[in-house]
Amino acid sequence: DAGVTQSPTHLIKTRGQQVTLRCSPKSGHDTVSWYQQALGQGPQFIFQYYEEEERQRGNFPDRFSGHQFPNYSSELNVNALLLGDSALYLCASSFDRESHEQYFGPGTRLTVT
Amino acid sequence: QKEVEQDPGPLSVPEGAIVSLNCTYSNSAFQYFMWYRQYSRKGPELLMYTYSSGNKEDGRFTAQVDKSSKYISLFIRDSQPSDSATYLCAMSDRKKVTFGTGTKLQVIP
Repeated sequence: DAGVTQSPTHLIKTRGQQVTLRCSPKSGHDTVSWYQQALGQGPQFIFQYYEEEERQRGNFPDRFSGHQFPNYSSELNVNALLLGDSALYLCASSFDRESHEQYFGPGTRLTVT
Repeated sequence: QKEVEQDPGPLSVPEGAIVSLNCTYSNSAFQYFMWYRQYSRKGPELLMYTYSSGNKEDGRFTAQVDKSSKYISLFIRDSQPSDSATYLCAMSDRKKVTFGTGTKLQVIP
């Protein structure tokens, strides 16, 4: 059973550019959440997608947007990248939006120069 | 004030020791409490998940929740070098999950 997968593993972008990160949830899971983890910090909740709609959102600007596809996979888009966006971006899936048993992918490490 | 405070560590213990990891919180709306283990350059792995106050045991791990004191703990018995990782507490108010900053644990053989 494949767990949560994310791509790419690493990414280097220049300030002002745009980036798209991808996530495939664990088999049987229909809810995807995205987190940003800065070095030495805990993950910070960005938003949650369920039934192709954003259901919950953390304290992140609208430069951060997302999408969920009919197969439950998801994308995170970040526009107008800032140096402070450099972090590990984690995707987590759960079997429904009420479940708090989240399973995380390995993350995408984004470096903004 | 942060909603979730976690002892910063790092914590270094000899193999076989009992490890105690702790978090406090200020948001009374938190109802669900989780502990995750994160190895370097990996995603967090769910270890324990509890809802009510009291203890929950799973092998060498025991999670303890005291809602009246807004305090949660994770105990690791007979610690092993493979337990060396960062341990994150997490809490949910049914809208979002809030993590602590993590405690780095090193178990020395």
